[in-house]
Amino acid sequence: NAGVTQTPKFRVLKTGQSMTLLCAQDMNHEYMYWYRQDPGMGLRLIHYSVGEGTTAKGEVPDGYNVSRLKKQNFLLGLESAAPSQTSVYFCAIRTGTDTQYFGPGTRLTVL
Amino acid sequence: DQQVKQNSPSLSVQEGRISILNCDYTNSMFDYFLWYKKYPAEGPTFLISISSIKDKNEDGRFTVFLNKSAKHLSLHIVPSQPGDSAVYFCAAISMDSNYQLIWGAGTKLIIKP
Repeated sequence: NAGVTQTPKFRVLKTGQSMTLLCAQDMNHEYMYWYRQDPGMGLRLIHYSVGEGTTAKGEVPDGYNVSRLKKQNFLLGLESAAPSQTSVYFCAIRTGTDTQYFGPGTRLTVL
Repeated sequence: DQQVKQNSPSLSVQEGRISILNCDYTNSMFDYFLWYKKYPAEGPTFLISISSIKDKNEDGRFTVFLNKSAKHLSLHIVPSQPGDSAVYFCAAISMDSNYQLIWGAGTKLIIKP
C-alpha cells in the first residue's frame, strides 16, 4: 500500500479518551476519505475531503471530526471514544474516476 | 436501506474451476461498479470496474458482467487460484455524490486445492 500511510497501526483506548488518526499520501490527490469496517459489514464512509481545507460528512460521521489543513494529510479525530467506535479504520485517496486507493488500516479497540 | 447487497457471505470453489461472485443494487443512478479484493490485515485493493453504460469488462482472469435491467452484477474468476482466496467487496459510485463508494458486505472466497 505504498503511497498512503496510516498512523498508528493499532491502538487501544479507554472509554472517554481522545485520539487522532493520521492519513498521509504522497501522490498529490485532491480527494481523501475515511472509512470504518465492522465485522460482517462493508466499509462505511465517515468523512471525506475534496481538497485542502475542505471536509464533508459521510454516512456515519457522528462522534468523529476531521481536518485537512495540508493537502497530503487527512486527520480523523475521536474526541471522546466509545466502545461502539471499536473498528478498523481505512483511509483512501481517489486516484481515478472510478477508483480509490486504500491505506493499510488502523485497528482501534475502545474498552 | 442497503443500496448494494452481497447475499452470499462465503463461497468455496475448487482450484482451477470458475468462481462467480454476485452483487445486487437498488439505486439506478450509480455510474460505476467496482470489485475490491481484501486480504486479512490489509486495505482493500482495486480489482476491476465497469461503467453503467457497459455490460461486460474483462481483465485477464477476471470478468465483470452488468445486467442493468435486473440491477445485478457478477464477477467471474477463471481459472480460480489459491491466491484468489480473500474477501471480495462489490461497490458502486454515483458521480453526483462526490464519488462516494457505497459498499456491499463482502463475500469470503475460499479456493480449495
